[in-house]
Amino acid sequence: AQSVTQLGSHVSVSEGALVLLRCNYSSSVPPYLFWYVQYPNQGLQLLLKYTTGATLVKGINGFEAEFKKSETSFHLTKPSAHMSDAAEYFCAVSYSGGSNYKLTFGKGTLLTVNP
Amino acid sequence: DSGVTQTPKHLITATGQRVTLRCSPRSGDLSVYWYQQSLDQGLQFLIHYYNGEERAKGNILERFSAQQFPDLHSELNLSSLELGDSALYFCASSVEVHARPYNEQFFGPGTRLTVL
Repeated sequence: AQSVTQLGSHVSVSEGALVLLRCNYSSSVPPYLFWYVQYPNQGLQLLLKYTTGATLVKGINGFEAEFKKSETSFHLTKPSAHMSDAAEYFCAVSYSGGSNYKLTFGKGTLLTVNP
Repeated sequence: DSGVTQTPKHLITATGQRVTLRCSPRSGDLSVYWYQQSLDQGLQFLIHYYNGEERAKGNILERFSAQQFPDLHSELNLSSLELGDSALYFCASSVEVHARPYNEQFFGPGTRLTVL
């Protein structure tokens, strides 16, 4: 069974500081990994995804994530936080098997950016 | 704008009632997924339809049902509503050409259901 753990339900950073949101997954088969962002009162928007190939994945809005199989991690980073980055971030996993490609989500991390 | 539409945006109803949530996927997308987002359970997969056929069920209660119509829009029916059913319900659509699991799922804005 798949599962996703996001360490830290709330992360607070200063504007211009490094953003690091942690995600660890559990999957018995090769995973596909995603980061979604949810702004208040909106749906989820895909930031980036890892499927196969290069383990460092670049996404929108300056975010990137690195797939580390040995650590079963897919942490999200951004070198310099902007006020507009304040939102809730969800890590999700899917897998290459069967005919259902549901996403299994972590509990989410609320990112606060302080001026 | 993801291209996925959901109606209504807000729904307030009473316990014991039945409601229908509607989702129109992006043009060309054959798959529709339904998710429930609540404070205690987080985001949970409910059910998946592909081109009119049910593909898989997740943590969906027996009081809930869904269907996907020939025009590919989908409806989620919730009956005998309880206070605990209050949540945000999202649908997402994807292309899933050649059964690729990593095609992006595009999420709608959600329907916020409040059961009083």
